[in-house]
Amino acid sequence: EAEVAQSPRYKITEKSQAVAFWCDPISGHATLYWYRQILGQGPELLVQFQDESVVDDSQLPKDRFSAERLKGVDSTLKIQPAELGDSAMYLCASSFLESSPLHFGNGTRLTVT
Amino acid sequence: GQQVMQIPQYQHVQEGEDFTTYCNSSTTLSNIQWYKQRPGGHPVFLIQLVKSGEVKKQKRLTFQFGEAKKNSSLHITATQTTDVGTYFCAGDFGNEKLTFGTGTRLTIIP
Repeated sequence: EAEVAQSPRYKITEKSQAVAFWCDPISGHATLYWYRQILGQGPELLVQFQDESVVDDSQLPKDRFSAERLKGVDSTLKIQPAELGDSAMYLCASSFLESSPLHFGNGTRLTVT
Repeated sequence: GQQVMQIPQYQHVQEGEDFTTYCNSSTTLSNIQWYKQRPGGHPVFLIQLVKSGEVKKQKRLTFQFGEAKKNSSLHITATQTTDVGTYFCAGDFGNEKLTFGTGTRLTIIP
C-alpha cells in the first residue's frame, strides 16, 4: 500500500536555529496537510494545500513558520528560528479529495534544546 | 472556535472487557472520522460517518453518529492487547477541514 513519506524521522536542534521537514504524499493525492501534535494531544492543522495552493494557513505562526508545495507534489515545512515550544511531532498527511480520509506519514519528532 | 471534545481522556480495561469513547461537538458536523494511533506511531484512519444516526461495524468495533450529528461514539467489544492505542475522532464542520478531538488513550491490563 502506498505511503506518505516524511524525513527526517527525528530532529534535534538548538533554539534560534532553522529546521526543515520534507513530505512526499501518496501519488495522485491533491490535498496535503501539515499537522503538529504535542505529546498527549490531538493533531492540530498548521497548513493545508490543494495542489500547489495554500487553502488554509490560519493556524500557521507565519512569523517563524513557512510551508511550500511548489510543484503540487512534495512539500517542505520550515521553522526559523526554532523555539523551545516548537518541540512536537510534525505530521504530514494527504488525501485524494478534501473530504476524504487522511493518510498520515510517520512524522518528524522535533526536539528544540 | 469550533472544537471537538472527547471523553474519557484515559481508559484502562482488563483484557476482554468492553471499551467506549465519546466525541461531542457544540455545532453540527457534516461528517466525522475516527483514527487510531498506536504508541509511537501515526494516526491511521478507521472509518468515516456521514449520515444522521449512522451505525457502522468493523469486527469488534462499532461506530455511531448521533441523530443531531453533534456526537459520535466508538465501542470495542471484548478488548484485546492489539487494541492498545489512542483513539481520535475528527470532525468536519462543513468546511472540509478536520478538527481532531483530544483523544482517548486505551491501555489493556492482561
